[in-house]
Amino acid sequence: AQKVTQAQTEISVVEKEDVTLDCVYETRDTTYYLFWYKQPPSGELVFLIRRNSFDEQNEISGRYSWNFQKSTSSFNFTITASQVVDSAVYFCALSEANYGQNFVFGPGTRLSVLP
Amino acid sequence: DGGITQSPKYLFRKEGQNVTLSCEQNLNHDAMYWYRQDPGQGLRLIYYSQIVNDFQKGDIAEGYSVSREKKESFPLTVTSAQKNPTAFYLCASSIQGVAENTEAFFGQGTRLTVV
Repeated sequence: AQKVTQAQTEISVVEKEDVTLDCVYETRDTTYYLFWYKQPPSGELVFLIRRNSFDEQNEISGRYSWNFQKSTSSFNFTITASQVVDSAVYFCALSEANYGQNFVFGPGTRLSVLP
Repeated sequence: DGGITQSPKYLFRKEGQNVTLSCEQNLNHDAMYWYRQDPGQGLRLIYYSQIVNDFQKGDIAEGYSVSREKKESFPLTVTSAQKNPTAFYLCASSIQGVAENTEAFFGQGTRLTVV
């Protein structure tokens, strides 16, 4: 079965600190896709990144970086030099290629960046 | 502009009434989804549809119904059988292909309150 765990329910940091959001997944498929979404107070989910199971290269986009490790079934998200605008709920999600064409979301991590 | 439109943004329902939430997309996506989000919780899948005139139950389909008569539209009806319908409802769509799943794009959500 597919499952996504985000053990950190809430995190608070002070502006300019680095913060890492953890994501651990379970899947029976050999081909799968991992995603991160941001949900600001407005409610709409904003897509941040997609990773497929064959690509373990880490990715950096500005202040955001992602660490994908198949050996530990983890797909962690780091924000460098956090800003108040980063305050939101962040969701990790999983989609399997061969077992069910839908997205399974983790419970989310609420990040508060304090000025 | 391409995107997903959910309406209304806020909806109030009396107990015992059925209500229908609208979701329209002009992204030419094959797959569409409905998720429910309760305060402080993640997203739970209600129904999803991969092609027109076909849909599957998600994890919490009881008390809900959907239709997919057109590719662009995937309305969700919350029936009187749904015992606790007050929640935030999110509609999403994605391209479904053999090669790989793409990310899901989300609407702005509908907040349903039972009065």
